[in-house]
Amino acid sequence: SQKIEQNSEALNIQEGKTATLTCNYTNYSPAYLQWYRQDPGRGPVFLLLIRENEKEKRKERLKVTFDTTLKQSLFHITASQPADSATYLCALADSSASKIIFGSGTRLSIRP
Amino acid sequence: GAVVSQHPSWVICKSGTSVKIECRSLDFQATTMFWYRQFPKQSLMLMATSNEGSKATYEQGVEKDKFLINHASLTLSTLTVTSAHPEDSSFYICSAQLGVGQPQHFGDGTRLSIL
Repeated sequence: SQKIEQNSEALNIQEGKTATLTCNYTNYSPAYLQWYRQDPGRGPVFLLLIRENEKEKRKERLKVTFDTTLKQSLFHITASQPADSATYLCALADSSASKIIFGSGTRLSIRP
Repeated sequence: GAVVSQHPSWVICKSGTSVKIECRSLDFQATTMFWYRQFPKQSLMLMATSNEGSKATYEQGVEKDKFLINHASLTLSTLTVTSAHPEDSSFYICSAQLGVGQPQHFGDGTRLSIL
């Protein structure tokens, strides 16, 4: 069955360092992959989308890579700040894009 | 842009009550809307996908007679939890998508508590 795994349930990073979150998947050939941020009691907020033919995407302090051979995406936040503390979800969609499947999320905490 | 409004944000009601949740895309027309359920510290579980003017597609294990979805226009979808019971208590979130291959934009969820 299709499976999405995010590397750890929680990640604790010192402010200013780069936070790296991992998303691995099996039994799936996604056409594109997305990353979302979710704060407690709120709906997810879209951050970045990367397609299967793209290796890397950047947006301000965020960077996403997509390796379809390794079946893995890495999500980086550079110069991390306490305000970056949240749960980050990866999500995959196939070419029909009729729906997306979410990973369980990684709870990121940035300590001052 | 791409704002989705979900209402109400929280509901507390007695067992047996039916509860309607609205999801509106405020500044765009959504070809597809999705309904999710989320338990504490867990990810989003897709309940159903709805396209304007057609019947919703429910995920396996989701009772369509229990969770009624209506998608009357390109900017409004509703989820009605019929005869709700305590086990239906959860965080329900909707999302709207402009088109195939586009990101989903989420509402802020509805916390439903059934006493």
